[in-house]
Amino acid sequence: AQSVAQPEDQVNVAEGNPLTVKCTYSVSGNPYLFWYVQYPNRGLQFLLKYITGDNLVKGSYGFEAEFNKSQTSFHLKKPSALVSDSALYFCAVRDRSNSGYALNFGKGTSLLVTP
Amino acid sequence: EPEVTQTPSHQVTQMGQEVILRCVPISNHLYFYWYRQILGQKVEFLVSFYNNEISEKSEIFDDQFSVERPDGSNFTLKIRSTKLEDSAMYFCASTRGLGTSTDTQYFGPGTRLTVL
Repeated sequence: AQSVAQPEDQVNVAEGNPLTVKCTYSVSGNPYLFWYVQYPNRGLQFLLKYITGDNLVKGSYGFEAEFNKSQTSFHLKKPSALVSDSALYFCAVRDRSNSGYALNFGKGTSLLVTP
Repeated sequence: EPEVTQTPSHQVTQMGQEVILRCVPISNHLYFYWYRQILGQKVEFLVSFYNNEISEKSEIFDDQFSVERPDGSNFTLKIRSTKLEDSAMYFCASTRGLGTSTDTQYFGPGTRLTVL
């Protein structure tokens, strides 16, 4: 079985400050990990993914995420938040040992960046 | 940049009615997916589709659901007899289908289905 936990329903950050959106996962094998962002009335937009290799993954809009196997985490980070980053962020996992391609999503974290 | 499109953006239907949700995947993509998101809950996988066949489905995707690629561009999700609990946002996604599970899934904007 595979699952994703996003322990924070909401994260509040002041503009210009660094932001972190947390994600932990549970899979029986090795994971593929993804971050998506959802703006109001929009679909899910792909931000970045970890497949293999360097644990620090860089993605769109200045976001990055660090894969930590020992802590089974894949936290999303950005050095300096923008008001326009305010949105709903979803972490997703796929177990490499599964033959299927379905993504298993967390429940989402709402990020609010205040001016 | 190519995008996945979905129609309609909002569908209201009466319980027991059939609905068809439509998606146009990115043109050179080969794998197609449906997910749903009940209000306030996480996004859940429904079904994946490749080469005119269902390749994977979840427990949610029971006999009242079906998928079809009726022509070269559209990918549809049919709910045969809608229930109140089918009210959700339905997302279509597609991947290039390079034969590996590392492909990025690109999502459409969703169709909000309201069952009364």
